[in-house]
Amino acid sequence: GQNIDQPTEMTATEGAIVQINCTYQTSGFNGLFWYQQHAGEAPTFLSYNVLDGLEEKGRFSSFLSRSKGYSYLLLKELQMKDSASYLCAVRDAYSGAGSYQLTFGKGTKLSVIP
Amino acid sequence: GAGVSQSPSNKVTEKGKDVELRCDPISGHTALYWYRQSLGQGLEFLIYFQGNSAPDKSGLPSDRFSAERTGGSVSTLTIQRTQQEDSAVYLCASSLVGQGDSPLHFGNGTRLTVT
Repeated sequence: GQNIDQPTEMTATEGAIVQINCTYQTSGFNGLFWYQQHAGEAPTFLSYNVLDGLEEKGRFSSFLSRSKGYSYLLLKELQMKDSASYLCAVRDAYSGAGSYQLTFGKGTKLSVIP
Repeated sequence: GAGVSQSPSNKVTEKGKDVELRCDPISGHTALYWYRQSLGQGLEFLIYFQGNSAPDKSGLPSDRFSAERTGGSVSTLTIQRTQQEDSAVYLCASSLVGQGDSPLHFGNGTRLTVT
């Protein structure tokens, strides 16, 4: 089966750095995504990892360790607009035709305070 | 360019009625997904279409749920004899392909309320 765990909520201060962790136990692994979802809006793509290591994209970085089933999203120089839910998702079960399902965690609600 | 479009944005229906939710994916995207999101819950996978292949229906919660994708483009999710537990936001997403680093692009969803 699929199990993706993230903390439910986190609070951090504007200008600080925050790390959001994700652990997964899935039936397969073909890549891990992070999405951002503001309240009442659709999720938007942030990052993708398939090999071990750190991927950096501006203020956001994402890390993956496949052997540990672990990823984190690092947000630097936090801004108020970063207040949102952050969803970890794993391409796991095979869906046929060379394609894979994308299973989401429940998301971490980040509140950035002044 | 245009993103994923879903309609209606909101739907209120009485228990027992049937509803149809529509999704227009991004042009050229071969993969199309339906998810639903209940309050405080993660995205629950429902069904996946890849090109002309048979869909992956493994996430549909009951036989009251069905979906089709006509001409490899527009998709319709149908819920028959709706129940109160069907109330949720139904999200459609498309991606260029259903593998690798091809990210999902989500529509704004249909908020379904069953009274």
